Amino acid sequence: EPEVTQTPSHQVTQMGQEVILRCVPISNHLYFYWYRQILGQKVEFLVSFYNNEISEKSEIFDDQFSVERPDGSNFTLKIRSTKLEDSAMYFCASRPGADTQYFGPGTRLTVL
Amino acid sequence: KQEVTQIPAALSVPEGENLVLNCSFTDSAIYNLQWFRQDPGKGLTSLLLIQSSQREQTSGRLNASLDKSSGRSTLYIAASQPGDSATYLCAVPNSGGSNYKLTFGKGTLLTVNP
Repeated sequence: EPEVTQTPSHQVTQMGQEVILRCVPISNHLYFYWYRQILGQKVEFLVSFYNNEISEKSEIFDDQFSVERPDGSNFTLKIRSTKLEDSAMYFCASRPGADTQYFGPGTRLTVL
Repeated sequence: KQEVTQIPAALSVPEGENLVLNCSFTDSAIYNLQWFRQDPGKGLTSLLLIQSSQREQTSGRLNASLDKSSGRSTLYIAASQPGDSATYLCAVPNSGGSNYKLTFGKGTLLTVNP
């Protein structure tokens, strides 16, 4: 069964460094998402992407964040200058035209 | 703004017991509701999606019900097993547009004791 994959599974970085989190959505899916979950808190929406552009972003998704789908298969989330409070689990999800969203296993980002 | 609440926050039961997890949402204009399972430090596994036009959806020992008008959903787990131990999350998509960004509850941490 097709799955959403994410790399790396764990990323440790120093505050102020740039990180790129990578996702390979399920092929033929049309809608792509990033969510994050700070330890002990709810999963929260960051950004959605459709037709090669951002369709919606949350208040969290400020100028430090960007997303790209560079080659038609990968979907990346870049954080330009990481802060301590960016430490969280980041989930990628994709959706076909139908409703169910399929989530990847997540990348645990630790900012020191 | 949609708010999703899950009760109880944690539940511990002996193996074999039937149990019910609760989810409530403030904006009843939803398209569907999705239940997920999350194992510690892991991703989200979709369990069931119940459409707004449906009252129930079943998968194996799991049964989800939806009462849109009262803003409630329940996840019923029959004959619980230790392997069911996990956090169960419910989520609803936004009601405007086709974006379907999900708003999650905080989850119910279920422990099934052998």
